Amino acid sequence: NAGVMQNPRHLVRRRGQEARLRCSPVKGHSHVYWYRQLPEEGLKFMVYLQKENIIDESGMPKERFSAEFPKEGPSILRIQQVVRGDSAAYFCASSPSVGLYGYTFGSGTRLTVV
Amino acid sequence: AQRVTQPEKLLSVFKGAPVELKCNYSYSGSPELFWYVQYSRQRLQLLLRHISRESIKGFTADLNKGETSFHLKKPFAQEEDSAMYYCALRTQGGSEKLVFGKGTKLTVNP
Repeated sequence: NAGVMQNPRHLVRRRGQEARLRCSPVKGHSHVYWYRQLPEEGLKFMVYLQKENIIDESGMPKERFSAEFPKEGPSILRIQQVVRGDSAAYFCASSPSVGLYGYTFGSGTRLTVV
Repeated sequence: AQRVTQPEKLLSVFKGAPVELKCNYSYSGSPELFWYVQYSRQRLQLLLRHISRESIKGFTADLNKGETSFHLKKPFAQEEDSAMYYCALRTQGGSEKLVFGKGTKLTVNP
């Protein structure tokens, strides 16, 4: 069991480019969560997805950010037209069902916008 | 609004000394509190949750609803306890999201 796998670990993008962050949940986990950690801040919830459904996106910025968790393949967090303020660590977590038992985090993707 | 406050950004103690990492929360409902730990170069992992009332690696935490606190304690700190510690609150309402504090970096000196 490889745990939650996030890639890339580090991503550098120029302002205006697109960033795509991938998260492969623990095998058998059907719930995925994305969090963002800005410098000197705690983790902030962004979005909660189940297979093919967005359950709670109350933490997602209204523009430029989107997330999906298709039937097959990893969950993707997409940031269009990145700006310097998007520079942060993005963490993904997964769980097998409702309830936080077995809520496992990935190692994160550190996005730097130059 | 839900909020988790960890007042100490940095905490430094000597090996064998007691350690307490403070956590206060603000939430109008019935909270579920957690402590997560992140060792150097490792991923965030669950340390303990208040409903389990367990002790993990010698750490305990008691939920005090009167003081809205969930402080993490260990009577005798070890060097391997050096890490970032995050307190987190799970809210009711169906979503499984967590509200995190900003974290406390604990350093245990030899």
